[in-house]
Amino acid sequence: QSVLTQPPSASGTPGQRVNISCSGSSSNIGKTYVYWYQQLPGTAPKNLIYRNNLRPSGVPDRFSASKSGTSASLAISGLRSEDEADYYCAAWDDSLSDYVFGSGTKVTVL
Amino acid sequence: EVEVVQSGAEVKKPGESLRISCKGSGDSFTSYWISWVRQMPGKGLEWMGRIDPSDSYTNYSPSFQGHVTISADKSINTAYLQWSSLKASDTAIYYCARTYYDILTVAAMDVWGQGTTVTVSS
Repeated sequence: QSVLTQPPSASGTPGQRVNISCSGSSSNIGKTYVYWYQQLPGTAPKNLIYRNNLRPSGVPDRFSASKSGTSASLAISGLRSEDEADYYCAAWDDSLSDYVFGSGTKVTVL
Repeated sequence: EVEVVQSGAEVKKPGESLRISCKGSGDSFTSYWISWVRQMPGKGLEWMGRIDPSDSYTNYSPSFQGHVTISADKSINTAYLQWSSLKASDTAIYYCARTYYDILTVAAMDVWGQGTTVTVSS
């Protein structure tokens, strides 16, 4: 069971906006930065968001993220077929001394 | 351009030992940490631990402490993940990734290897 809780799935039609939540606690999200990763089918993960809401170079601005208290969320606007992937949130957990990933959310473009 | 290249797929028997590798290129290997991440079949990502190649200091996830060993040889820009006695439950894809740190804790992993598939079966 993951320390960070994500919904197992989310879906939308092309052009829609999809939101993915990530719920943690005061020892992880409530205390440190949140990171988001995208894993396309059969490929290695890719860092999508760092330090709560910053996008690495090359990541489209359709991807945005926010954090409030012990929760975080990732939004994908203008959904595209190539956004079909698994999305993971992650954070350092101070109590566990562990870098914890969420359970992952599979995004399907209908 | 920074690249991280991992060693190829392995098929092993339970009880055997194994070392897989992760070679960095294109940038100063010792300026970042290297993390190892496990992904069991059909499952999510699990951080195993990290190493600072400049001094080989390691941190392990409590879940993996004592089960694997992470090492590095900075002279050849390579990090390693090894097992002394494999189990069937070690069957997974293992990724290495260049890792940034914030206040000495793991932060973003921005450059990932292609993954090494390890299959342990009798």
